[in-house]
Amino acid sequence: EVQLVESGGGLVQPGGSLRLSCAASGFTFSSYWMSWVRQAPGKGLEWVANIKQDGSEKYYVDSVKGRFTISRDNAKNSLYLQMNSLRAEDTAVYYCARENYVLHYWGQGTLVTVSS
Amino acid sequence: DIQMTQSPSSLSASVGDRVTITCRASQGISNYLAWYQQKPGKVPKLLIYAASTLQSGVPSRFSGSGSGTDFTLTISSLQPEDVATYYCQKYNSAPLTFGQGTRLEIK
Repeated sequence: EVQLVESGGGLVQPGGSLRLSCAASGFTFSSYWMSWVRQAPGKGLEWVANIKQDGSEKYYVDSVKGRFTISRDNAKNSLYLQMNSLRAEDTAVYYCARENYVLHYWGQGTLVTVSS
Repeated sequence: DIQMTQSPSSLSASVGDRVTITCRASQGISNYLAWYQQKPGKVPKLLIYAASTLQSGVPSRFSGSGSGTDFTLTISSLQPEDVATYYCQKYNSAPLTFGQGTRLEIK
């Protein structure tokens, strides 16, 4: 059974940093692109970033370019999102998702709150 | 970047009604279009990919159509369990933009 479990969310002050993790199991992690998607409270879905199987390609939504970094460790079956220079508008539930062109499997999400 | 626009933003219909949601891409995306359903308090679920291919396990009352810039999601006979927000998403290339969502309620 495919499982994706996010962790690392919490309360952080504006300008601060946070690192999210996503632990994957139940499939060959190194065979799939992976994505991060976020959802602000009461708002719609926003795709944030994705990363190729070997980490050689990474793409970001414009609003996080230069502040967020997606990475992966295939040996640990883990996906990461390093978030720096956080802003109030980054407050959201962050989901990791397995790609096979589309987002077939999603984790339960981890809440990031940016507030002073 | 390509923008995805859904209409309507919200919709109220009766059980048994035929419901149609539209999604328009600002540029052609062939059939690289997916639909997701998110029930209140739940994680999004993939319904349809390649514009018209039903994901395994999704009820046959759901269908998708379209190509290029204009796409539709149709529920042939609305059921109470279909109350949810529906999102389209393009996936031909990054960014994998979502539409703003259509909130579907029962009248």
